[in-house]
Amino acid sequence: DAKTTQPPSMDCAEGRAANLPCNHSTISGNEYVYWYRQIHSQGPQYIIHGLKNNETNEMASLIITEDRKSSTLILPHATLRDTAVYYCIVRVSSGTYKYIFGTGTRLKVLA
Amino acid sequence: DVKVTQSSRYLVKRTGEKVFLECVQDMDHENMFWYRQDPGLGLRLIYFSYDVKMKEKGDIPEGYSVSREKKERFSLILESASTNQTSMYLCASSPYLDQPQHFGDGTRLSIL
Repeated sequence: DAKTTQPPSMDCAEGRAANLPCNHSTISGNEYVYWYRQIHSQGPQYIIHGLKNNETNEMASLIITEDRKSSTLILPHATLRDTAVYYCIVRVSSGTYKYIFGTGTRLKVLA
Repeated sequence: DVKVTQSSRYLVKRTGEKVFLECVQDMDHENMFWYRQDPGLGLRLIYFSYDVKMKEKGDIPEGYSVSREKKERFSLILESASTNQTSMYLCASSPYLDQPQHFGDGTRLSIL
C-alpha cells in the first residue's frame, strides 16, 4: 500500500493561499489521492480527490504532478476556520478501498 | 449533505463490559466503515460492510464485532472491553466503495 509523507506543521496568513504538499512516491497507477481535514474533536471532512488531472471544487484545488509522485492542496484564501490537520491519503483501489491515513499537516491560519 | 451520526460523542465504560457503538447515515449508502484513530497511528480500519447483513474484517478486527441489520445503521460491538480499546472511534459511509467516504464526528471511548 502506498504511503504518504507530509510536513508536520505549517503556518499561513489569513487571506493568503495555503499550499500543502504531499509526497506519495510509491503510488500505483490506479490509486487515487484524497485530501481530508480534521478540526479538533470532529470527524475527518472530505475536501477533494484526484487521479492524475488537476481538480478544483468550492473548497480547494488539487495539483498532481505528472509522474504522480506528489501533490499539492491549495486553499486559495485561507481563513481562521481552515485551521485544522490536513491529511493526504492514498486509497487502495480494490478490496476494502480503505484509507491509509498518515499523521497529516497541522495548518495554523494566523490573523 | 451527507449526515453520518454517531450515537455518543463521549463514552466511559469499565473493563469487561459489552459496549455498543451506533452509527446511522441518512443517504442510503451501500457501504459503511468503522475505524479507530489513535495518536501516531492514524486511522485503522476495524470492519466494513458493503450491504445489509454483510461484513468484512479490516486490519484490526480482534476484540470487535459488527452488526448491520438495516441499511442505514452499522453497529460496532466490543465484546469484552479492555483498556487498550480506549480510542476515538469513527464511522464512515460511501455510496460505492470507490467513492469518497463521509465521516461522523466520532465517539471518544474510555475504558477504565
